[in-house]
Amino acid sequence: NAGVTQTPKFRILKIGQSMTLQCTQDMNHNYMYWYRQDPGMGLKLIYYSVGAGITDKGEVPNGYNVSRSTTEDFPLRLELAAPSQTSVYFCACRTSQETQYFGPGTRLLVL
Amino acid sequence: QQPVQSPQAVILREGEDAVINCSSSKALYSVHWYRQKHGEAPVFLMILLKGGEQKGHEKISASFNEKKQQSSLYLTASQLSYSGTYFCGGGGATNKLIFGTGTLLAVQP
Repeated sequence: NAGVTQTPKFRILKIGQSMTLQCTQDMNHNYMYWYRQDPGMGLKLIYYSVGAGITDKGEVPNGYNVSRSTTEDFPLRLELAAPSQTSVYFCACRTSQETQYFGPGTRLLVL
Repeated sequence: QQPVQSPQAVILREGEDAVINCSSSKALYSVHWYRQKHGEAPVFLMILLKGGEQKGHEKISASFNEKKQQSSLYLTASQLSYSGTYFCGGGGATNKLIFGTGTLLAVQP
């Protein structure tokens, strides 16, 4: 039981490049979330999903896209990377008791 | 708007107590508390689902005043392992959890 896994762990992007951050959970939870955490700051919700095929915007969705074709996977897509997207990205899933379990994070540097 | 936490940072000696406050301008249906150690993911501590509910976890407990939209986290007889950044999370009527501004706690020997 791996919980929530994220890949890659670290990535450097050039301005304008695109990438997909992968998130997979093996706990069969319907609710999944993507957060970003800038250095020394709190967590900001980017997108979330309440089940396969259903996604919705969070606090800071601009510049990102998500999809949820299966219960297990919730990838986050950056289309045109900008320096302002330099951050640590956390994926999380939520239990029926509302506990959120976080993945280890992806550190992204946009230069 | 995210919940505001106070203090922003606190330094303790081992064995001392601390209180971290969380205040929201929006209605809260639940309050979550998480701890994040440097370079790691946040880890769930506890959730309070009802107004006035108090929960405890070893020497860490919390209360939730639904009328005031406030929650407090109490750490007693602090240990070195308590060091980290504490976040409250406000659960509203939607499925979203909005995290607070964070409180950095440093426990020194």
